[in-house]
Amino acid sequence: DTGVSQNPRHKITKRGQNVTFRCDPISEHNRLYWYRQTLGQGPEFLTYFQNEAQLEKSRLLSDRFSAERPKGSFSTLEIQRTEQGDSAMYLCASRLSGLAEETQYFGPGTRLLVL
Amino acid sequence: QKEVEQNSGPLSVPEGAIASLNCTYSDRGSQSFFWYRQYSGKSPELIMSIYSNGDKEDGRFTAQLNKASQYVSLLIRDSQPSDSATYLCAVNGDDTDKLIFGTGTRLQVFP
Repeated sequence: DTGVSQNPRHKITKRGQNVTFRCDPISEHNRLYWYRQTLGQGPEFLTYFQNEAQLEKSRLLSDRFSAERPKGSFSTLEIQRTEQGDSAMYLCASRLSGLAEETQYFGPGTRLLVL
Repeated sequence: QKEVEQNSGPLSVPEGAIASLNCTYSDRGSQSFFWYRQYSGKSPELIMSIYSNGDKEDGRFTAQLNKASQYVSLLIRDSQPSDSATYLCAVNGDDTDKLIFGTGTRLQVFP
């Protein structure tokens, strides 16, 4: 396994612009998760997929956020009309469901700065 | 609101000592518990998972779970300066697959 990969690793954008992040999970992992982490806080759940189906989305998630996993492999997270409060580390994790071990494995993250 | 509570620290221990990190959670239905280590600017990496009451040991690390008290802890024996990081406690409820994280405890191991 090559691990979870995320691109880009860093993104600087101006307020009001749209941004899109990509996550490639560990091969064969059917569950994929997105979290957001701000300084001094633990990661906060955003949404997760099983294969291509989005099973849960945080009630705190603004309508400006949308995530897809069209073929059940990689996933994209798009933020429309970015705001300064969107500045954070966006983390992707994956795991294989149906196992006794439920660990989610995290990618390196995408650090977003909105100016 | 399901919550996970950790002391933010910093917890400072000398090299070679035992570091004890604690976490409490609010959802009695929680089934799965995890400790992640996070170095500054990096993503979380798994240290230990635990699913049943009692102790689970892996090298220098021991996780302890007490579901009746809604308490999970991590002991690090023979602490090394390289253990200096933030330790995140995460809990998975019985009705969801998302992880709920605490704010993390910052551990400092000094030579």
